[in-house]
Order: sequence, then C-alpha cells, then structure tokens
Amino acid sequence: AQTVTQSQPEMSVQEAETVTLSCTYDTSESDYYLFWYKQPPSRQMILVIRQEAYKQQNATENRFSVNFQKAAKSFSLKISDSQLGDAAMYFCAYRRTGNQFYFGTGTSLTVIP
Amino acid sequence: NAGVTQTPKFQVLKTGQSMTLQCAQDMNHEYMSWYRQDPGMGLRLIHYSVGAGITDQGEVPNGYNVSRSTTEDFPLRLLSAAPSQTSVYFCASSNIGQGVSGANVLTFGAGSRLTVL
Repeated sequence: AQTVTQSQPEMSVQEAETVTLSCTYDTSESDYYLFWYKQPPSRQMILVIRQEAYKQQNATENRFSVNFQKAAKSFSLKISDSQLGDAAMYFCAYRRTGNQFYFGTGTSLTVIP
Repeated sequence: NAGVTQTPKFQVLKTGQSMTLQCAQDMNHEYMSWYRQDPGMGLRLIHYSVGAGITDQGEVPNGYNVSRSTTEDFPLRLLSAAPSQTSVYFCASSNIGQGVSGANVLTFGAGSRLTVL
C-alpha cells in the first residue's frame, strides 16, 4: 500500500522568513511522481511544485523548493521569503503507476505579519 | 478554458436521499477522479477513470457510483445518502503518459460541500 505522512498538522512562520514542511511516503515502486498542493481558504487546490522520482535534481519554483531524498522516502517543501498569501493548507501527494494519487493529511501554515 | 467544473457547490440532503455531483472538464483529459476531503484525513480517492467506458474503485468507494460515458463528464452518484458522506468533494483530471503536456498533474474543480442530515 502507498501512504503519505505529513507529521506537522500546523506550522507558523514569520513573514519574510523560511519554513520547511515535512512529508514522507511509503512505496515499493521506483518510478513515481511527488507533488505539493496548496489549498487557501477559497478551497481551490493549487499545484505548487512537482518532482519526478527519476530526477536527482530537486525541483524549484520561485520561492518554493523541495528536498527530495529518495532513499529516505522524504519530500519536504521549503518556502523562502514567506508572504501573507502563502497562508494555506499544504498537501503532499504521491502518484503511483496507473495515475492513482495519494494525499497526506495536510499541514496548515500560518504566516505571522 | 473553464478547466474542471463541478456542480453544485453546496448541497444539503436528508438521509436516504439520492443525488448526483456533476463534473465536466474541457481539456480532453483521459483521467478523471473523485476525492472526498474530511478534516484531519486529507483527500481520499473515491473512484477514478482512465477513459470513456472505464472506471475503477479508489480507497473509499462504498456508497458511491460513477460512470464515464464521454471524455468530458464524470458524475458521482450517491444512491442513498448517509451522514457519514458529509464532506467536501473534489473532481480532478489529468492527461496520462510520459511526455504529454500536463500529464501526471491533477487539475481540480472548486469543490462541492455536501451535508447529509
């Protein structure tokens, strides 16, 4: 079975500071995708960043970057220069062969002005 | 493009009633899926489809039916609603395959909040 674990139900960060959200997953596959989605109060699910497991280079999208440790099955999200608009629920997701996606339970991020 | 459109956005049902949540996408995506989101449990896959005429069960399929008669539409049916089905429901779609634009990335609808009394 594939499972995704987010061990931090809530996190907070000062505006302009850096925060890291943790995610671990369990799989027996070697080829898969990992994602971070953001869900603001509007409820809309927004893709933040994705990582292909076969790529060793960590993905980066502007202020968002990941630390992908394949052997450790770890996929953390780093948000640099945090902004008020980053406040949201963040979900880590794993995509297995067959296009099935599995989501973690989410981390609620608060940005303190 | 409209992307993924879900209707209704809000619905209140009584126990035992039936209803259909509609989902339509205009991106010609092969893959469509339904999730439910409950506090502290993240998003859980209910049913999914990899093309017209093909559907399969996800993690929590009991109490829900789906069909996929066209590429664009993937309705979710509750035949006899129960309070345990009170949740926020999301429809999501994607392309499939390596090298296909947008493949392997889910595009979500805005969600439907369902309350069963």
